[in-house]
Amino acid sequence: GDSVTQMEGPVTLSEEAFLTINCTYTATGYPSLFWYVQYPGEGLQLLLKATKADDKGSNKGFEATYRKETTSFHLEKGSVQVSDSAVYFCALSLTNAGKSTFGDGTTLTVKP
Amino acid sequence: EAQVTQNPRYLITVTGKKLTVTCSQNMNHEYMSWYRQDPGLGLRQIYYSMNVEVTDKGDVPEGYKVSRKEKRNFPLILESPSPNQTSLYFCASVRGSEQFFGPGTRLTVL
Repeated sequence: GDSVTQMEGPVTLSEEAFLTINCTYTATGYPSLFWYVQYPGEGLQLLLKATKADDKGSNKGFEATYRKETTSFHLEKGSVQVSDSAVYFCALSLTNAGKSTFGDGTTLTVKP
Repeated sequence: EAQVTQNPRYLITVTGKKLTVTCSQNMNHEYMSWYRQDPGLGLRQIYYSMNVEVTDKGDVPEGYKVSRKEKRNFPLILESPSPNQTSLYFCASVRGSEQFFGPGTRLTVL
C-alpha cells in the first residue's frame, strides 16, 4: 500500500538556522504531494503542494521539490523563526481525492 | 468564511455509550474525510466520502461508522466506544486533492 516516511523528530533549531525535514514516499501511480502544518491546539493547514514530478511548492519561505527519481519531497527553509514552531506532516494523495496517506509528523521547535 | 466545523470539541465518555461527532463544511465540497491522530502514529484515515450516500473505509475503520445524507455533513459514529478509541479526531473537506481540516475533537473514553 501507499506510505509516507518522515524524518523522526523532534527537531530543535536556533532562530535563523536552516531547516530540512526529509520525506520519502511509496505509492502506486502518480500522487500529489503535500506538506501540512499543525500549530499547537489547531487543526492541520496546507503549507505547500506539488502535483507532478519536478514541481516545486513554496509558501511562507518554505520550499519542497517533487523528486520522482528518489521518491522524495523534502521540506526546506533557509531561515526559521520562532513562529515556525509546529508539527509538520508530509502527505500524498492519488487521483481518488478522498484517500490520503500522512506521515507521522515532525515536531519543530525554534528557540530564540 | 469557508470553514469546517466539528462538535463537540472535547468529550469525555464511558465505555459502551454511543456517541456522534458532527462535522459540517460550507464549501460545497464533494469529498470529506475523518482522521484520528495519535502520538507517534501521525494521522490515520478512518473513513472518507466521495459524495452523498457514497462512503469508503480508510486505514482504521474498525469500531466506527459514518453517514453522508447531505453534502455538507459527515458525522462520525461510535456505536460502542472503547478506551482504545481515545484520540484526537479531525474531519476534513477536500477540494481537488487539498484537505481543509476542522479544529479537532479530543475524545476520552474511560
